[in-house]
Amino acid sequence: EADIYQTPRYLVIGTGKKITLECSQTMGHDKMYWYQQDPGMELHLIHYSYGVNSTEKGDLSSESTVSRIRTEHFPLTLESARPSHTSQYLCASSEYAGPGELFFGEGSRLTVL
Amino acid sequence: AQSVTQLDSQVPVFEEAPVELRCNYSSSVSVYLFWYVQYPNQGLQLLLKYLSGSTLVKGINGFEAEFNKSQTSFHLRKPSVHISDTAEYFCAVSDRGRGAQKLVFGQGTRLTINP
Repeated sequence: EADIYQTPRYLVIGTGKKITLECSQTMGHDKMYWYQQDPGMELHLIHYSYGVNSTEKGDLSSESTVSRIRTEHFPLTLESARPSHTSQYLCASSEYAGPGELFFGEGSRLTVL
Repeated sequence: AQSVTQLDSQVPVFEEAPVELRCNYSSSVSVYLFWYVQYPNQGLQLLLKYLSGSTLVKGINGFEAEFNKSQTSFHLRKPSVHISDTAEYFCAVSDRGRGAQKLVFGQGTRLTINP
């Protein structure tokens, strides 16, 4: 059973607010990812990290930022939320070597009014 | 760059009927292929994966998929579905090089099982 946790599960906020979506995993995985998921659309990779102090932007441009100060923690921050940021954000992790399985959290559904 | 096309956005079937969810990919390099399932209000979980070897891959919950290199397809099948199989199914691909851990997903197929 995967041990990767996202908080909050649901968030409704007003435009201009700063928000941080938390993601933590207890499996000791080096690699972590953030995907954005909209209904009926493919998941888009927006950020990934191969280890502490390593972060890269994904294939989909995003105004969010991430940090990786600890192996187990990979938070995503939006400095000033806008309605266009309304989406579901999925965090995932995997072991370092090889084409491994991604373990996903349950997602954070963000609504910006 | 890789891409994945799931040919059906929704597939309704009756319980105990067979089902096939179609997936085609495009890539200029050799790939790894995956199917993930997402139950309502949950994250994605791995159903099965093709890395190498036999082109017929068996996964959890009675699902299997066949890799067809000439047709660049990786269709998912189950001979007899159950109500509990109602979920969204995502096909994904990654290349065999340094990007092996970066998955590209299709847009998903919503499987609905009717009693």
